[in-house]
Amino acid sequence: AQTVTQSQPEMSVQEAETVTLSCTYDTSENNYYLFWYKQPPSRQMILVIRQEAYKQQNATENRFSVNFQKAAKSFSLKISDSQLGDTAMYFCAFMKPRRTSGTYKYIFGTGTRLKVLA
Amino acid sequence: EAQVTQNPRYLITVTGKKLTVTCSQNMNHEYMSWYRQDPGLGLRQIYYSMNVEVTDKGDVPEGYKVSRKEKRNFPLILESPSPNQTSLYFCASSPGGGGFPYEQYFGPGTRLTVT
Repeated sequence: AQTVTQSQPEMSVQEAETVTLSCTYDTSENNYYLFWYKQPPSRQMILVIRQEAYKQQNATENRFSVNFQKAAKSFSLKISDSQLGDTAMYFCAFMKPRRTSGTYKYIFGTGTRLKVLA
Repeated sequence: EAQVTQNPRYLITVTGKKLTVTCSQNMNHEYMSWYRQDPGLGLRQIYYSMNVEVTDKGDVPEGYKVSRKEKRNFPLILESPSPNQTSLYFCASSPGGGGFPYEQYFGPGTRLTVT
């Protein structure tokens, strides 16, 4: 069974600094998808970035980028120039389509609570 | 505005009293899903639906029921709620159809307390 591990329950970073959130996963599959979601105090879940496993190039969205290491099964999120609005819970998620049935499930990590300090 | 809506947003109930949390999306998405979020456990998938009349269990389906009679709606039913179902619940939808992008769009959440 697939699992997703976020080993940092809480982190803090100074405003304008860079922070990296770690995520590792366990799967025997070759084709899958990875996501980072942000949950600010409003509780709304917001997609930050996504990565297709078959793509070697790391995904980037403005100040957010990932370091995807397929062999190591690692999918870390780097936030550059941290802003107060980045304060949130961040969840890593894994999804693997089932080729035979066409169905798919999502597995989420336990989250990392990030606080950006002024 | 493209969105996923859930109702109610907050609910306090008593053990054993049947309840339904509604979920609706206006994006014509095929895939819909329910999650519960608990401290230290992250989000866990309860049920998901690939399309109308097609549903399947997630990782924590016990004590829950769902139905998908219309593409836009995916209600979550607790026939006999118990205190261990006190949680924050999210509904989500995704385009589906067997193709990327697969990312999910989440509703605002429903805070359920069972006493």
